[in-house]
Formats: sequence, structure tokens, C-alpha cells
Amino acid sequence: GENVEQHPSTLSVQEGDSAVIKCTYSDSASNYFPWYKQELGKRPQLIIDIRSNVGEKKDQRIAVTLNKTAKHFSLHITETQPEDSAVYFCAASFNKFYFGSGTKLNVKP
Amino acid sequence: SQTIHQWPATLVQPVGSPLSLECTVEGTSNPNLYWYRQAAGRGLQLLFYSVGIGQISSEVPQNLSASRPQDRQFILSSKKLLLSDSGFYLCACTTGGPYGYTFGSGTRLTVV
Repeated sequence: GENVEQHPSTLSVQEGDSAVIKCTYSDSASNYFPWYKQELGKRPQLIIDIRSNVGEKKDQRIAVTLNKTAKHFSLHITETQPEDSAVYFCAASFNKFYFGSGTKLNVKP
Repeated sequence: SQTIHQWPATLVQPVGSPLSLECTVEGTSNPNLYWYRQAAGRGLQLLFYSVGIGQISSEVPQNLSASRPQDRQFILSSKKLLLSDSGFYLCACTTGGPYGYTFGSGTRLTVV
């Protein structure tokens, strides 16, 4: 099955700085790559996604890039704010979702 | 858009007791349904998925089982809970292909 690896496991940045989270996947059949944000004790919420026919997608301060050849994709958050502090999960999917292990982002005011 | 109802929100059960967690979906028909478990501070582990009534696929061997008695109902069960079954259980749903899960609010299970 698919194997998704996510790095780093924890990330601490100063408010206003950028944050980058990286994921790799193993199954070349995967064609959909969503990112989820999970606040403590709550369900994961979809924040952005990208399909395999697209190399980059941006939504305000959040962007995702995909390199299908290298089988890796990244989440970029610019101008970070304290409310961005949460655990972020990447996932790779063909017909089922396989999640990375998560990155705990701490944005220091 | 679809809504997932999941209950109970929290549950404390003794080792060896049975378990039944229920998930129901509104606002769509014939969804794909999934059960995930999240151990404390860990990622999301896919346990079961279902593409239709009575169709259950298991991702990992364990003492849990799943059933889908109705199109929009997904049940996670155990006959005898283990300490290692503690975690945050999430039901998820997709429709019209694999694009974008909707998660239920989760059940926090503590086995004591």
C-alpha cells in the first residue's frame, strides 16, 4: 500500500515567518494530495488540496506544490499567525487516503 | 454537502468490555465510509473502509471489526477491548470520488 512520510514532526516559527512542511509518497498511482489542519481535540479540517495534473496551488497565505517525478509535495504557509498553530497532516490518495504522521506547528507571537 | 454524526464523543471502558461506535451520514447517498484511529500525539491510521452496504475492507489486523448495515451507517465494534485500543476514533466520508474527506467529530476512547 501507500507509504506517506512527513517532515518535520515539529516546527516552531516566529509570527510573520514562513513555514514549510514536506511529504513524500511511494505509490505512483496516487493522484490527489490534500492537507489537513487539526486543532487539539478536534477533527481534521481540509485546508488545501492538489491534484496530480497540477504543480502548484495557492489560497491566500497557503500554497501547496507537487513534484510527481520525485513523489513529493509540500505545504507553504506565509506570514504565519498564532492561530496557525496546530497539527498539520498531509495525505496521498488514489482511492483511499493514507496520512503522514503529522507536523506540530507552533507559531510564537 | 454531507454531514457526519458520530457518537459518543467520549467513552471510558474497562479492558475486556465490548465496544460499539456509530457513524451516520446525512446529505448524500452511497458514500465511501472510513474508520480511522489516532493514538495520542500520533497520525491517522486507516482501520476500515466501505464502498457499499455489507462491503468492508480491513487495513490492519486487530480485534476490531466494522459493519455497514445501511447505506449511511457505519459501525465500529469490538468484543473485548484492549488497553492498546485507546485513542481518538474518526469516521470519514467521501462522495463522487476520493476528493476530500469529511470527518466526523470523533470519539475519544479510553480503555482502563
